[in-house]
Amino acid sequence: ETGVTQTPRHLVMGMTNKKSLKCEQHLGHNAMYWYKQSAKKPLELMFVYNFKEQTENNSVPSRFSPECPNSSHLFLHLHTLQPEDSALYLCASSQAGGHTDTQYFGPGTRLTVL
Amino acid sequence: GQNIDQPTEMTATEGAIVQINCTYQTSGFNGLFWYQQHAGEAPTFLSYNVLDGLEEKGRFSSFLSRSKGYSYLLLKELQMKDSASYLCAVMDSNYQLIWGAGTKLIIKP
Repeated sequence: ETGVTQTPRHLVMGMTNKKSLKCEQHLGHNAMYWYKQSAKKPLELMFVYNFKEQTENNSVPSRFSPECPNSSHLFLHLHTLQPEDSALYLCASSQAGGHTDTQYFGPGTRLTVL
Repeated sequence: GQNIDQPTEMTATEGAIVQINCTYQTSGFNGLFWYQQHAGEAPTFLSYNVLDGLEEKGRFSSFLSRSKGYSYLLLKELQMKDSASYLCAVMDSNYQLIWGAGTKLIIKP
């Protein structure tokens, strides 16, 4: 058990839909991350929040919009996605960003964009 | 640019030993992580090396040579449940994790 949960586990959406991914961590951590994992490719860091403040945005298209209302919850709002956005979206948390703390991952949301 | 290289796929036999290599070129170094990821599941932390040498943790060991930009994960007494992808990641000078594409390990009876 990693203490990081994600919902939904699977999502199929059309290019005109709007949906949100949710992540919750029960580890008392202060940093949370969104990653994109595509088949046979390295994990791509999308966003980092440290103490609820966004500290990284790795040139992610604006059709992905993160929200971090508190240190335990992280959302990824999706709109007008493209088929190439189909991937596994992983959430992770660590004690604090900017340190060599281990990141703990949720099970991911498998997203398919039609 | 920053780069992490590891083999795409490896096959080994139950009960045997396998070594998964990882080489890296990054902007700075603040440690190297190994994660295990079973299909459809979360990556789970296996090991962290920041100093040169071998760290042993049960059936799994991880080695680091900073001068060579090289690490390996050694799995002993392989079990069928060890079939998974193994991800190598280096923390750079900005404390960002740079990830390899993962090595898919297939265990045969």
